[in-house]
Order: sequence, then structure tokens, then C-alpha cells
Amino acid sequence: NAGVTQTPKFQVLKTGQSMTLQCAQDMNHEYMSWYRQDPGMGLRLIHYSVGAGITDQGEVPNGYNVSRSTTEDFPLRLLSAAPSQTSVYFCASIGGRGPNTEAFFGQGTRLTVV
Amino acid sequence: AQSVTQPDIHITVSEGASLELRCNYSYGATPYLFWYVQSPGQGLQLLLKYFSGDTLVQGIKGFEAEFKRSQSSFNLRKPSVHWSDAAEYFCAVGRTDSWGKLQFGAGTQVVVTP
Repeated sequence: NAGVTQTPKFQVLKTGQSMTLQCAQDMNHEYMSWYRQDPGMGLRLIHYSVGAGITDQGEVPNGYNVSRSTTEDFPLRLLSAAPSQTSVYFCASIGGRGPNTEAFFGQGTRLTVV
Repeated sequence: AQSVTQPDIHITVSEGASLELRCNYSYGATPYLFWYVQSPGQGLQLLLKYFSGDTLVQGIKGFEAEFKRSQSSFNLRKPSVHWSDAAEYFCAVGRTDSWGKLQFGAGTQVVVTP
């Protein structure tokens, strides 16, 4: 997926540990978001940002923090990892309006909390 | 609130046969509608999108989708499937007043048999 880079691809954490999932885009998109993907539930929105300095909660924000200091970067922080946060995480970058809307997703981060 | 329903969790289709994946949405205004495909261990790839105008939308890989306002549906079709079409497919809805907040369905897993 062009232009959205997520790191790491895989991570194992112990319960209570903290970590940051990185997401960067080089398309100058205003909108970035984080989703988690769980079997049978599709993708659920965690947090999103409509521009640098502006963030808001999505559907499942508890246990996660975000910040958007630059247009390019939108890191997701797990404050104190819990087994319920075992999931695959996707960062999305969305630009344009209406028919010109472009939405690109990163390759995902597979996180296991033990 | 918007919602997206993909009634079929799993579909098995023979190679060369036609495929139709169902998607129903709930949203008060005209939504933005998307279909994404996810191959195992991969990110999401956009197949096609609808914003306005012609209700029959052509996408990549030979897929098309038809928007039916009266049925609140956006079903995905392919006349003849290939083994490489085996993947999980997600329908997503975006709001015109919050264009970046995509709501995803739970997904449909497609298995292609010889």
C-alpha cells in the first residue's frame, strides 16, 4: 500500500507493558486513523485525526493514546497492555474529498499481549 | 449512527463461477461506499468506491458493485472468479459530514474451489 508505513509488523508484549505503534504517510493527507481488526468484527476505529494537533476518539479508544504533532506521523500508544488488546492494528491515511477521496492502509501490526 | 452489515460470513465458490457479496448499510444521508479486499497477512486494498452518479461502479480485478438506495445496499459482483480472488472482503461506509471515519462491516471470507 503506497505511502503508509507502519512499524513494527509484529510485536509481543507482556501484560502491563507500554509501547508505541508507528505510522507515517508521505502523501500530505489531512486525515489519519487507527483501526483494530479482530475476527468476525471487521475493523473498528480507535482514534483519528483530521490534521496536525487535532485528534478525537473513535469507537474503541480505551487503553490507547494518540498525538499528531506533524501531518506525516500518527503514533498509537498502548499505555498498559492487556490481553484484550491482542489484535491486528491498521493505520489509514485519507486525503481528498468526495469522489477524489483516497484511503490507503498500512500493512498492519500484529500485536500479541501475553 | 451509521452501520454496515455483511450478512455472509463465509462463501465458497467454484473457480469460474460468478460471485456476489452482499453489503447493507444504515445511514441517514447518501453515504460514501467502499469495498476492500484483504489477502492473508496483508493490508487492505481498495477495489472500488461510490460517491454519487452512476450507481454501477467498476473497480479493479474485474469487480463491480451496484448502489441501490431503495435497498440500502452496495453489493459486490464478479462474473467469473479466479483462484486468486480467495480473500476476505470488507464493505465500508463513510459519512459525508465526517468523510474520514469509515465504518466497516465484519467481512466476508471467500474460498475458491477448483
